[in-house]
Amino acid sequence: AQRVTQPEKLLSVFKGAPVELKCNYSYSGSPELFWYVQYSRQRLQLLLRHISRESIKGFTADLNKGETSFHLKKPFAQEEDSAMYYCALSDAGGFKTIFGAGTRLFVKA
Amino acid sequence: NAGVTQTPKFQVLKTGQSMTLQCAQDMNHNSMYWYRQDPGMGLRLIYYSASEGTTDKGEVPNGYNVSRLNKREFSLRLESAAPSQTSVYFCASTSDRTTYEQYFGPGTRLTVT
Repeated sequence: AQRVTQPEKLLSVFKGAPVELKCNYSYSGSPELFWYVQYSRQRLQLLLRHISRESIKGFTADLNKGETSFHLKKPFAQEEDSAMYYCALSDAGGFKTIFGAGTRLFVKA
Repeated sequence: NAGVTQTPKFQVLKTGQSMTLQCAQDMNHNSMYWYRQDPGMGLRLIYYSASEGTTDKGEVPNGYNVSRLNKREFSLRLESAAPSQTSVYFCASTSDRTTYEQYFGPGTRLTVT
């Protein structure tokens, strides 16, 4: 069964500390993986996708097919990174996207 | 360019009442989606429309119907609301299948009593 698992509901770190939001997936095929973010009182929006191998707002994510993981990392967390983060997987056709339950990141001053 | 818009923003229904959630996008996107978001469960796909004139079931379609009125609009209807349908509903659209990026609306918070 296709599934996206984010094991942490809440992650709290101090400003300047490294942060890693975990995401594991289950999919029989070659998925497209994404991280979406929802800041307070804002819409859910795309943060980054694995296919573009980019760094957005200092965040990176590497697809590890062997471990079926797509963890989101940032070396130095900022207070403005506090938000809800969702890992998502799209099937080959791109029509059905499965979201994880989300991890709330809280960056403390 | 408003992106994806949803109406209403909030709604309270009694059990058994019906209502339609409206969604429109002005980005000329082919594909549109309806999700529900429940605490601890992330977003779950209710229905989607790959293109104008087509609709397909997602993960949790029971109790809902959809209409892709035209390329811009995709509505979600609850024929007989139940307390289990209390949720936040999000509409989204996708530009094309090469990017898969979804653009979301602001959401509709629905409470069924």
